[in-house]
Amino acid sequence: DAKTTQPPSMDCAEGRAANLPCNHSTISGNEYVYWYRQIHSQGPQYIIHGLKNNETNEMASLIITEDRKSSTLILPHATLRDTAVYYCIVPAPPPTGGFKTIFGAGTRLFVKA
Amino acid sequence: DSGVTQTPKHLITATGQRVTLRCSPRSGDLSVYWYQQSLDQGLQFLIQYYNGEERAKGNILERFSAQQFPDLHSELNLSSLELGDSALYFCASSAPGETEAFFGQGTRLTVV
Repeated sequence: DAKTTQPPSMDCAEGRAANLPCNHSTISGNEYVYWYRQIHSQGPQYIIHGLKNNETNEMASLIITEDRKSSTLILPHATLRDTAVYYCIVPAPPPTGGFKTIFGAGTRLFVKA
Repeated sequence: DSGVTQTPKHLITATGQRVTLRCSPRSGDLSVYWYQQSLDQGLQFLIQYYNGEERAKGNILERFSAQQFPDLHSELNLSSLELGDSALYFCASSAPGETEAFFGQGTRLTVV
């Protein structure tokens, strides 16, 4: 699995965009980038994933650089309920892969009123 | 609601005891993963099952074991419990092809 590096914490004003960076410089060509978040002690929640193209869903957008060595998760209009720990992970692809990865410390996002 | 169900939600037991945590994956998912999250720690991968067979092992203690049954639900057995085993235990499941995994709400185990 490719190692990822994230800032330990970030602040964001409510209503503004939250941009969470992740470095994954050792990513291989067929490895996807996944983002999850964990609100307090709840189960991690899947947000989005991508390979090389930018992706968008109802929760967020994922921007992956052309060299795929880093990505940014964008929450377009952060709310107080988006306060959580955000994990960027790059699990090895099947058949040898799967989510047998350590999630690391993630980025603790504080959304402030 | 992720569709992954874990029971019980909370468990308090004494040192030296044995407990069983249960996980029902999402319908159609063949992979089940177990993770441990100690206080203010990241999620540590324990073990993965795929369609009834063990597929991968992480840093799972010998006192811990798991299995996946024909109906695809999984159980994590923790024995000779120690205070340090107190943690949140999460189960996740993913579909064939192992794309995104979906997590249950966890079991909070407290060993006293």
